[in-house]
Amino acid sequence: GQNIDQPTEMTATEGAIVQINCTYQTSGFNGLFWYQQHAGEAPTFLSYNVLDGLEEKGRFSSFLSRSKGYSYLLLKELQMKDSASYLCVFTDKLIFGTGTRLQVFP
Amino acid sequence: GAGVSQSPSNKVTEKGKDVELRCDPISGHTALYWYRQSLGQGLEFLIYFQGNSAPDKSGLPSDRFSAERTGGSVSTLTIQRTQQEDSAVYLCASSLGKGGRETQYFGPGTRLLVL
Repeated sequence: GQNIDQPTEMTATEGAIVQINCTYQTSGFNGLFWYQQHAGEAPTFLSYNVLDGLEEKGRFSSFLSRSKGYSYLLLKELQMKDSASYLCVFTDKLIFGTGTRLQVFP
Repeated sequence: GAGVSQSPSNKVTEKGKDVELRCDPISGHTALYWYRQSLGQGLEFLIYFQGNSAPDKSGLPSDRFSAERTGGSVSTLTIQRTQQEDSAVYLCASSLGKGGRETQYFGPGTRLLVL
């Protein structure tokens, strides 16, 4: 079967760095997305990983280890606007995690 | 260019009524997806279209739910005899193709409330 696990909530301070972890068990793997979703809005694309390693894109980076069934999203220089839910998504069977709700405080 | 659009943006209906939700994908996107997000819950996959055919309907929660896509473009999701547990935000997404690298672009969603 397939299963995804993310922390439900996280808090951090403006300017800090936060790492959001995602672990998974799946019988197939065809890539992993991270999406950002602000309250009341649709998800928006952040990153895509299909190979092991780190993908960096500005203040956001995403890491994947297929052998460990593990990914993380790293957010640097946090801003208030980064307060949102972050969804870990497996493209095989389109499995979504429930998302991690991040609150950034001044 | 235009993104994914959905209509209506909000729908309030009475239990037992049928509702129809519409999705207009980004022009040229062959893949189209429907999801449901209940309050405080994660995204739940419902159905996926490649062109006009639906190779994966595994997420449809019951036979009250159906979807179609015509002309490889617009899709409608129909819920018959709505129940209160159908209340959720229904999100549509489209992508260029079904390949693993294809980013899905989401519409704003239709907020359905069944009284």
